Amino acid sequence: SQTIHQWPATLVQPVGSPLSLECTVEGTSNPNLYWYRQAAGRGLQLLFYSVGIGQISSEVPQNLSASRPQDRQFILSSKKLLLSDSGFYLCAWSVGTDSSYEQYFGPGTRLTVT
Amino acid sequence: GNSVTQMEGPVTLSEEAFLTINCTYTATGYPSLFWYVQYPGEGLQLLLKATKADDKGSNKGFEATYRKETTSFHLEKGSVQVSDSAVYFCALSEPGNTPLVFGKGTRLSVIA
Repeated sequence: SQTIHQWPATLVQPVGSPLSLECTVEGTSNPNLYWYRQAAGRGLQLLFYSVGIGQISSEVPQNLSASRPQDRQFILSSKKLLLSDSGFYLCAWSVGTDSSYEQYFGPGTRLTVT
Repeated sequence: GNSVTQMEGPVTLSEEAFLTINCTYTATGYPSLFWYVQYPGEGLQLLLKATKADDKGSNKGFEATYRKETTSFHLEKGSVQVSDSAVYFCALSEPGNTPLVFGKGTRLSVIA
């Protein structure tokens, strides 16, 4: 069966510090991968998605970046965090079957920028 | 473009009450439709789905019917429990390799 891991689970970082969040998927090949952010009490914001190694689509221009160095690894980074980067970061994967592309989410990383 | 509109919350119900969370969509093609649930502090879980018109998705006592004529996918449950307290997201996917489009979510609180 497929599983998705995210780490760390929680993170407290000062403004201006770098960020690296990691997501890995097990049990599937060539998944689509996604990064979302969820601000407190709000909906999901799609940040990046990837359909293959080295292929990244950015949905929102900001100080975050994403990379996919391996088929089942997706990394979210920042060189300098802003207070507004605080939130709950969710990684997800999907593999299309028939006409359905449901996504499966990881447990999330709670980031607080102080 | 494609979009999903959900009723705004929060929704507060007493235990054993009937639940309806409305969801309507706009899509250019023939999307698949989903409901996700997010319990406090956790990621989203797929609750149910429907891939074509008139399909009914069901899981854990929840159900939703894909209504093409009204472009709707309302979530219902006959008798809610305190453990159903969560945020519920409606979403759609078009055939092809594109991300899901999510609604803004509806927070449900069930009180004993």
